[in-house]
Parts: sequence; C-alpha cells; structure tokens
Amino acid sequence: GQQLNQSPQSMFIQEGEDVSMNCTSSSIFNTWLWYKQDPGEGPVLLIALYKAGELTSNGRLTAQFGITRKDSFLNISASIPSDVGIYFCAGQREYGNKLVFGAGTILRVKS
Amino acid sequence: NAGVMQNPRHLVRRRGQEARLRCSPMKGHSHVYWYRQLPEEGLKFMVYLQKENIIDESGMPKERFSAEFPKEGPSILRIQQVVRGDSAAYFCASSPVPGYGYTFGSGTRLTVV
Repeated sequence: GQQLNQSPQSMFIQEGEDVSMNCTSSSIFNTWLWYKQDPGEGPVLLIALYKAGELTSNGRLTAQFGITRKDSFLNISASIPSDVGIYFCAGQREYGNKLVFGAGTILRVKS
Repeated sequence: NAGVMQNPRHLVRRRGQEARLRCSPMKGHSHVYWYRQLPEEGLKFMVYLQKENIIDESGMPKERFSAEFPKEGPSILRIQQVVRGDSAAYFCASSPVPGYGYTFGSGTRLTVV
C-alpha cells in the first residue's frame, strides 16, 4: 500500500535552533499536510500544501511541496519549548480521499 | 460546537465485549473519517462516511468492525468481540467538503484487557 517515509524519527535540539524534517514517497500525492500532535490529543493541522513547488509559511514554520510531488519538508525556525511534540506529514492523492500518514518525528527541545 | 467531539476519551473493555466509539462532527460538516493509531505509529485510515452513506471503507478490517453516520446523531464506530490487538487510539475527523479542511477530534483510547 501507499507509504510515507518520514525522517528523522526523533530530534533532541537546543532551544533557539532550527529544525528540519521531511517526508518522501514512491507515489505521487496531490496534497501534502503537516500536523502536530501533543500527548493525549488529536493531530492539529499546521500547514497545507496543494501545488507542486509551493512554499508556505505559518509563523516560524515553513513547508514546501516537492516539485516531483513525491516529497515535502517542514522547517521550524528558532525552536521554543512549546514546539515539543510529534510532527506528522500526510499525503492525499485525490480530494476527498483518505490521508496517508508518515510515522512521525518526535521533537524534544532543551531549554 | 467548538470542534469535533469524541466520546468516551478512554474506554476499557474485556476481550469479547463490544466497543462503541462516538464522534460528533463540527457544525456544518457532513463528511466524517475514522483513523486508528497504534503506539508510536502514524494514523491509519479506516473509513470515510457521509450522512447515511459509507463512501470508502478500504481501511476497515473485514470482520468485527462497522461504522455508521446516521441522518441524526453522531457517527459510531463499533467493534464487536474486541481482542487485545484492537487496543489503540481511534480518531475521528470531519470536513465541510470532501477531504478538505479536516479537523480531528481528541480521540478515544481503547484498552482491551
């Protein structure tokens, strides 16, 4: 079945550092989404990307939809303690269709 | 309606019992999706429903699992004769149009003992 490879699996960084994580797939997706999940909660949408090559920012977060439509990355600049959590990428092949999730990147921040 | 409401938040069932998980979508959302998350894994799609219709159930196990979204009331995910392997977090999401503007609920954590 469809699979997204998300890396790194986990990161332990110093407060103030920048963070980068990415997702790759062997299949093309028409939409890429990035979510954050806090313990005991559901995923919360951070950024949605709908067009190949699109670069979108949301505050300190920046995400890009790869030109090949098979990859995406998320950058977090100047990390702060509340950035701690699990970040998931998700791809969607067609509007209305299911989301395929990566396995997540666990982010820990040292203050 | 502040968001997607799921209840119960935690559910403990003995092996062989039935589990019923409820999801009330956001106001104005007529599309509901159920996902399952095992510990330290991403979410996996189970089923997509509109009011009174199952649109895509390609992620549902063939036996013991069923879902409905009646004309009135919440969407229900039902698991009959639960087994230990059903222990997971089950998330519901809703959207106003198909697959766009997903909002997830806080999930129901099912533990089978």
